[in-house]
Amino acid sequence: DIQMTQSPSSLSAFVGDSVTITCRASQSIATYLNWYQQKPGKAPNLLIYATSTLQSGVPSRFRGSGSETDFTLTISTLQPEDFATYYCQQTYTTPYTFGQGTRLEIK
Amino acid sequence: QVQLVQSGAEVKKPGASVRVSCKLSGYTLTELSMHWVRQAPGKGPEWMGGFDPADDDTIYAQKFQGRVTMTEDTSTDTAYMELSSLRFEDTAVYYCATVLLFGGPFDYWGQGTLVTVSS
Repeated sequence: DIQMTQSPSSLSAFVGDSVTITCRASQSIATYLNWYQQKPGKAPNLLIYATSTLQSGVPSRFRGSGSETDFTLTISTLQPEDFATYYCQQTYTTPYTFGQGTRLEIK
Repeated sequence: QVQLVQSGAEVKKPGASVRVSCKLSGYTLTELSMHWVRQAPGKGPEWMGGFDPADDDTIYAQKFQGRVTMTEDTSTDTAYMELSSLRFEDTAVYYCATVLLFGGPFDYWGQGTLVTVSS
């Protein structure tokens, strides 16, 4: 199975800051990397797919990049609604695996 | 607009089975692939299995092989996930999620169904 490792596991930031979350795959997954945002009590919500394509309706302050094994999610100019948990996921091959999550908290 | 509506919360005893339903609207089941994901309290999501159009078959995560069955009723566009021989560690929120393009992301998710395994 492909292991997905996110870092950091948590971080705190101010509204208006920019943050970067990293996701590393245990083997190459080309660009089959997706990012989800999850708020308490809700289902994960797709933000970015295929490494860098924004899902419809997602603000442009979210940006994804990377390839092969190393990927990043950058959120610029943090808004209050961005404080949530973020997960990466590979859909290169089954079993489709998720990272353990990065909890973004307001400072 | 795709909508997935799941059945309500369940409480089951160890060793029992649970069946969760997921009603699809906005698309038909034949137009996409349905997958199931679970999330234990305080943990990340875990893929359980789903339909693979390349093999025209349902594939299951090895962890759940022999205990999980995913079926679909195309006449009502409802998907089902049944998990048997429940253990305490199966306590989790279970989600259905759609994949519109093979190899693509989980585009839309149901609201989740909490399954609690308790004696």
